[in-house]
Amino acid sequence: AQSVSQHNHHVILSEAASLELGCNYSYGGTVNLFWYVQYPGQHLQLLLKYFSGDPLVKGIKGFEAEFIKSKFSFNLRKPSVQWSDTAEYFCAVDTGGGNKLTFGTGTQLKVEL
Amino acid sequence: IAGITQAPTSQILAAGRRMTLRCTQDMRHNAMYWYRQDLGLGLRLIHYSNTAGTTGKGEVPDGYSVSRANTDDFPLTLASAVPSQTSVYFCASSGTSGATDTQYFGPGTRLTVL
Repeated sequence: AQSVSQHNHHVILSEAASLELGCNYSYGGTVNLFWYVQYPGQHLQLLLKYFSGDPLVKGIKGFEAEFIKSKFSFNLRKPSVQWSDTAEYFCAVDTGGGNKLTFGTGTQLKVEL
Repeated sequence: IAGITQAPTSQILAAGRRMTLRCTQDMRHNAMYWYRQDLGLGLRLIHYSNTAGTTGKGEVPDGYSVSRANTDDFPLTLASAVPSQTSVYFCASSGTSGATDTQYFGPGTRLTVL
């Protein structure tokens, strides 16, 4: 079975700092990749997704992620974080089609003023 | 626009009791999903339904059952709750079961089994 690893469990940044959250998956075939975010007190929502084409995908709120097939990675980045980015971030992978996602364990991001 | 609603918001349940978590969506989505979220484990798929009348098992289906009698509702039942089922349960839906479709999540149900 595939697995998804998020190595940063807790990240604390100051506003305007750059962000990179790691995501690695274990599957050698075709994958569909997602980042979801859960803001405090809100529903889990999609940040961005990759299916094919340009490996650098842009999502909402200035986030982007790069798919590097050779590294089995899909890291999330943002050049300058804001206090409102404080949330939990989940990487997810779909390998078999049918939209059945395998999620990583999540990264709790806290942005300090 | 309600999206996905879940009930109850939270529940404390004695072990051995039966419990049904409700999930309703008003987006006319064909596919629906149940996940549980546990600290350090992320979200894990319990059961899914690609369309009304069909269901399938996810990663952690044991101890849970689902039904999909119509498009809008996808209840999750714990026939005899155990403490290891203490978790936050999320329902989600997507337009189709295709991998390109975004999943939309409900607010979650926090369940504690004592």
